[in-house]
Amino acid sequence: DAGVIQSPRHEVTEMGQEVTLRCKPISGHDYLFWYRQTMMRGLELLIYFNNNVPIDDSGMPEDRFSAKMPNASFSTLKIQPSEPRDSAVYFCASSLGTGTGNTIYFGEGSWLTVV
Amino acid sequence: SQKIEQNSEALNIQEGKTATLTCNYTNYSPAYLQWYRQDPGRGPVFLLLIRENEKEKRKERLKVTFDTTLKQSLFHITASQPADSATYLCALGLHAGKSTFGDGTTLTVKP
Repeated sequence: DAGVIQSPRHEVTEMGQEVTLRCKPISGHDYLFWYRQTMMRGLELLIYFNNNVPIDDSGMPEDRFSAKMPNASFSTLKIQPSEPRDSAVYFCASSLGTGTGNTIYFGEGSWLTVV
Repeated sequence: SQKIEQNSEALNIQEGKTATLTCNYTNYSPAYLQWYRQDPGRGPVFLLLIRENEKEKRKERLKVTFDTTLKQSLFHITASQPADSATYLCALGLHAGKSTFGDGTTLTVKP
């Protein structure tokens, strides 16, 4: 399996622009997570899905952030409009669920810089 | 308030020694605890999982303990090597699907 695939790997955008991050989870995984990592706040869970349904979005910082999972093999995280404080590494991750103790498999991250 | 604390941001040890990393938590009741390794520019990679009813788990040179009374996990790397240098994250498994991560400890093993 190719693992969790994220795109783009790097993005530099201007403040106010829309940013869309994409994720393909590992085939067969029931859970999909979006995390954000910064030096100041560490690794934060933004939102997670179970069987394509959003379960907990309490970590989404504000209405500028939205996430969708239209099918089992694709998810997007959108920021509109983007701000400099959104600069971070955004990780998508997936897991099989409770049966295997929830080992989480991370992608390589999308490095976002908002200038 | 809920908190996960990992010992000092950085830990420096000599090659061949045992590295011990700690993870303390407050106001959580995790069903399990995991340790991940993260290299610069990469995503975290799973290493070990220990459940609330287990005291100790081993995998090759790695050992993890879990004390739900002390609310603490210890992560040991024996016979450490420079290749073990990385950031190590603990994660509390709270319920189906959801894990909360500590800020990590950066380990440097010097030859």
